[in-house]
Amino acid sequence: DAGVIQSPRHEVTEMGQEVTLRCKPISGHNSLFWYRQTMMRGLELLIYFNNNVPIDDSGMPEDRFSAKMPNASFSTLKIQPSEPRDSAVYFCASSPLGVARGQGRTEAFFGQGTRLTVV
Amino acid sequence: AQKVTQAQTEISVVEKEDVTLDCVYETRDTTYYLFWYKQPPSGELVFLIRRNSFDEQNEISGRYSWNFQKSTSSFNFTITASQVVDSAVYFCALSEGGGSEKLVFGKGTKLTVNP
Repeated sequence: DAGVIQSPRHEVTEMGQEVTLRCKPISGHNSLFWYRQTMMRGLELLIYFNNNVPIDDSGMPEDRFSAKMPNASFSTLKIQPSEPRDSAVYFCASSPLGVARGQGRTEAFFGQGTRLTVV
Repeated sequence: AQKVTQAQTEISVVEKEDVTLDCVYETRDTTYYLFWYKQPPSGELVFLIRRNSFDEQNEISGRYSWNFQKSTSSFNFTITASQVVDSAVYFCALSEGGGSEKLVFGKGTKLTVNP
């Protein structure tokens, strides 16, 4: 398997522009996560999906951020309009387990990340 | 609320030294999962180990070992005979056993192994 695939790897955009980050999870995984990494806040969960349904979006900073998962093999994270404080590395991760208690928990497999710079 | 604390921000050692990275966690759940990830300079996050709260056995994998102690809410990571390739940022993470699969990460410990 190719692992979790994110695109683009690097994105430089001007303040106010729309940015779309893309993720292809590992085939067969039913949970997908978007994390953001900054020096100040470290790694923080933005949103995660289970079976394409958003389960926890409490980490989404504000209305400028939105995420979709139209099918099991694709997800997007969109920022509109972008601001310099959105500059960070955005990671997508997937996991094969669902939300039911008792199923245990396995590790999340991370993509290479997208380094976003908003100028 | 769940929380992970990695008190050591940076550690620098000389090759072949042993080094222990500390991780202390907080959770109200009786079922939870602990993880360690490695982030080398290339930036990706690499999974190292998973532990559930019912398994306190220590684990050894080559030069890596992990010490899980529920009594002190700690899950420490030791690298024996460190090598330059071990230089990376290491993250400890916690996932509670309830409905959410959310991973809460510590701030990470940057390990530098000098030749």
